[in-house]
Amino acid sequence: EVQLVESGGGLVQPGGSLRLSCAASGFNFRTYEMIWVRQAPGKGLERVSYMSSSGSNMYYADSVKGRFSISRDNAKNSLYLQMNSLRVDDTGVYFCARQLTRDGYTLIDSWGQGTLVTVSS
Amino acid sequence: DIQMTQSPSSLSASIGDRVIITCRASQNINSYLNWYQQKPGKAPELLIFAASTLQSGVPSRFSGSGSGADFTLTISSLQPEDFATYHCQQTYIGLTFGGGTKVEIK
Repeated sequence: EVQLVESGGGLVQPGGSLRLSCAASGFNFRTYEMIWVRQAPGKGLERVSYMSSSGSNMYYADSVKGRFSISRDNAKNSLYLQMNSLRVDDTGVYFCARQLTRDGYTLIDSWGQGTLVTVSS
Repeated sequence: DIQMTQSPSSLSASIGDRVIITCRASQNINSYLNWYQQKPGKAPELLIFAASTLQSGVPSRFSGSGSGADFTLTISSLQPEDFATYHCQQTYIGLTFGGGTKVEIK
């Protein structure tokens, strides 16, 4: 069974930092693209960051570019998101998710339960 | 960036009703459109990919249609477990979501 378990969320002051972790199990982690998706309270979903299976390709939403950094350790089956210079509008639930391509179409087929990040003074 | 607009943003319906949710892209996205269901406090779950292909295990009362820029998600006969928020997602260029449609009990 595919499992993704996030950790590292919490309450932080504006300007602060947090590091989110995602522990993967039940599949060959090193062969999958991974992403972070966030959801502000009562709002829609936003892909924050993406990393290819090898770690050689990355993507960041404009809203976090220069402040967030994605990484992975395939030996530890783990995905990370380093979040610096946090702002109030970074508040939300952050989901770790598995992205794949099926029949030429990209989709997200597995999600973690999410970890809540609250940025507030 | 490609913008995705869902309508309505919320709706009220009764058990057994036919429910239709629409999603419009700001440009042609061919069939690169997915639908997800999200229940309160839970992660989204994939329902449909490639505009009309049902994910394994998803009940057949769910169906998707459309291509180009206009898409629909149809629930043929609403069941109690279907009350949730539905999100569309384009993957033609990058990956962006619609704002979501909340389906509530009438």
